[in-house]
Amino acid sequence: AQSVTQPDARVTVSEGASLQLRCKYSYSATPYLFWYVQYPRQGLQMLLKYYSGDPVVQGVNGFEAEFSKSDSSFHLRKASVHWSDSAVYFCAVSAGGYKVVFGSGTRLLVSP
Amino acid sequence: EAAVTQSPRNKVAVTGGKVTLSCNQTNNHNNMYWYRQDTGHGLRLIHYSYGAGSTEKGDIPDGYKASRPSQENFSLILELATPSQTSVYFCASGDPNTEVFFGKGTRLTVV
Repeated sequence: AQSVTQPDARVTVSEGASLQLRCKYSYSATPYLFWYVQYPRQGLQMLLKYYSGDPVVQGVNGFEAEFSKSDSSFHLRKASVHWSDSAVYFCAVSAGGYKVVFGSGTRLLVSP
Repeated sequence: EAAVTQSPRNKVAVTGGKVTLSCNQTNNHNNMYWYRQDTGHGLRLIHYSYGAGSTEKGDIPDGYKASRPSQENFSLILELATPSQTSVYFCASGDPNTEVFFGKGTRLTVV
């Protein structure tokens, strides 16, 4: 069965610092991979997605993610975080069926 | 921009009562979903639908029913609410291989 693991429940970084949020997936083929963000009391919004091609994909607000088939990973990165990036970030997988499987989420706190 | 509207946004229900959560989407998406969000579990899929008249069980369907009477509307029904169903519920619609759009959530408290 598909699964998504986000090993870090909480991450705190200083404003202006770089960021990496980790995600590992389990699936026999290459699935569709996503990062979604949830701001307080809001639904989830998609940041970026990957299926094939260049393993580094760009998203909104300066976020990017890198796919690694050998490592079964899809880590999210940002070069310089802003306080407004504080939110919960979800890695997600779709394998061509009807549903999307989400990880447990990583709560990001950007400190001043 | 796809619009997914959930109602109510907040609900307090009594144990053993019936609760209906409603969802409406205006982008003609075939697929619709109900998730619940709990600390430590992320989002877990309760039911989904791939078109009017269809409902499918997700990963945690026990205690929930779903109804998709039209392309636009998808309801989640708790026939006999229990305190363990206290959670935040999200409705979503879209293509799972492209993008899924979420509503703002319904905070349900069962007392």
